[in-house]
Amino acid sequence: GNSVTQMEGPVTLSEEAFLTINCTYTATGYPSLFWYVQYPGEGLQLLLKATKADDKGSNKGFEATYRKETTSFHLEKGSVQVSDSAVYFCALRLIQGAQKLVFGQGTRLTINP
Amino acid sequence: DSGVTQTPKHLITATGQRVTLRCSPRSGDLSVYWYQQSLDQGLQFLIQYYNGEERAKGNILERFSAQQFPDLHSELNLSSLELGDSALYFCASSGSQGRTGELFFGEGSRLTVL
Repeated sequence: GNSVTQMEGPVTLSEEAFLTINCTYTATGYPSLFWYVQYPGEGLQLLLKATKADDKGSNKGFEATYRKETTSFHLEKGSVQVSDSAVYFCALRLIQGAQKLVFGQGTRLTINP
Repeated sequence: DSGVTQTPKHLITATGQRVTLRCSPRSGDLSVYWYQQSLDQGLQFLIQYYNGEERAKGNILERFSAQQFPDLHSELNLSSLELGDSALYFCASSGSQGRTGELFFGEGSRLTVL
């Protein structure tokens, strides 16, 4: 089936540290890949996306590259801020069927000053 | 602001009761999705509607049902509520961009069953 596996959290870092949150996927066909972020008390919002192999999505200093050969879409940021504290979800979306998003389990990130 | 509106934001009820959650999608979006977010299960897809028709079902219990109306708003009905139904219920909508388009999420309805 189609699934997303994320690095288990919680992850705690100091401000200005380098961040990587690992995400791998299993999919039939060619999915689009997404990172969503959920700030405390809010709904999910799109952080970045990539629609085909080797695409790099980027936003707010975050980046992720669609790696078909390793079926991965790892999220990175060079220097995190306290305001980046949130839960991050990796997700895939297929063209077949319902086109729903299939989410990973989420990774809670806490940045300490 | 995603443009997706969910009501109510919070709901507290008792076991055995029935509740209805409402979602208004972004203007022009034909697809509506319902997700359940609980601490132990993460984000689970429940059901999708497209222009009034059910498109796909996920892990939705038989006690739950949904519909999408001609004005494209959707309702999720939860009946015979159990303690384990306590969760955050999200609605999302999407346009016609297919698999490359993002889903836009509402802020959720937090249901507490006592």
